[in-house]
Amino acid sequence: EAGVAQSPRYKIIEKRQSVAFWCNPISGHATLYWYQQILGQGPKLLIQFQNNGVVDDSQLPKDRFSAERLKGVDSTLKIQPAKLEDSAVYLCASSLPGADQYEQYFGPGTRLTVT
Amino acid sequence: AQKITQTQPGMFVQEKEAVTLDCTYDTSDQSYGLFWYKQPSSGEMIFLIYQGSYDEQNATEGRYSLNFQKARKSANLVISASQLGDSAMYFCAMRDIEAGNMLTFGGGTRLMVKP
Repeated sequence: EAGVAQSPRYKIIEKRQSVAFWCNPISGHATLYWYQQILGQGPKLLIQFQNNGVVDDSQLPKDRFSAERLKGVDSTLKIQPAKLEDSAVYLCASSLPGADQYEQYFGPGTRLTVT
Repeated sequence: AQKITQTQPGMFVQEKEAVTLDCTYDTSDQSYGLFWYKQPSSGEMIFLIYQGSYDEQNATEGRYSLNFQKARKSANLVISASQLGDSAMYFCAMRDIEAGNMLTFGGGTRLMVKP
């Protein structure tokens, strides 16, 4: 079974530029999560999708971050314009829906450096 | 709101010895779940063990066991017979079942195994 795929693995941009990250979840996983992990901290949830609908985006900085999950499969996370404090690893995870499906499977992450 | 606290930023353990990583949590929910994840230097999040709030027995997975003390709101990870490959960051996380299984992570503990 293929795992969660993310691309690119690394990205370096200048502040005020735009960047987009892509995630392909495990086949059949209806729930998809984007986390931001700043160096030295635990991951923080940015947004959660159930199929193509948003379940929670309360911690997403909506003035500069946006995310979509068209057709309920792949997802894209965009930052426009980027700030220095956006330097972090962006982790995508997926899971089966339901209270008894607790395990989230994480992708390798995208390491973003904003200079 | 849920909160996870890991008070040990870093720990050393001698190879082949056991080690306990501390985790305390705060929630008003009756039903929740607690995870431990391992994050090696390569960056991926590896699921180790899960404990549901209504599980009567402490969870065990191979060399990993979770010491769940509900009244004290603690969920410590015990690693028996430490190996050099156990050197990594370890994160405790709580699952919010009512909020679509979103995870709240602690700040992590860096474990270093000495030969």
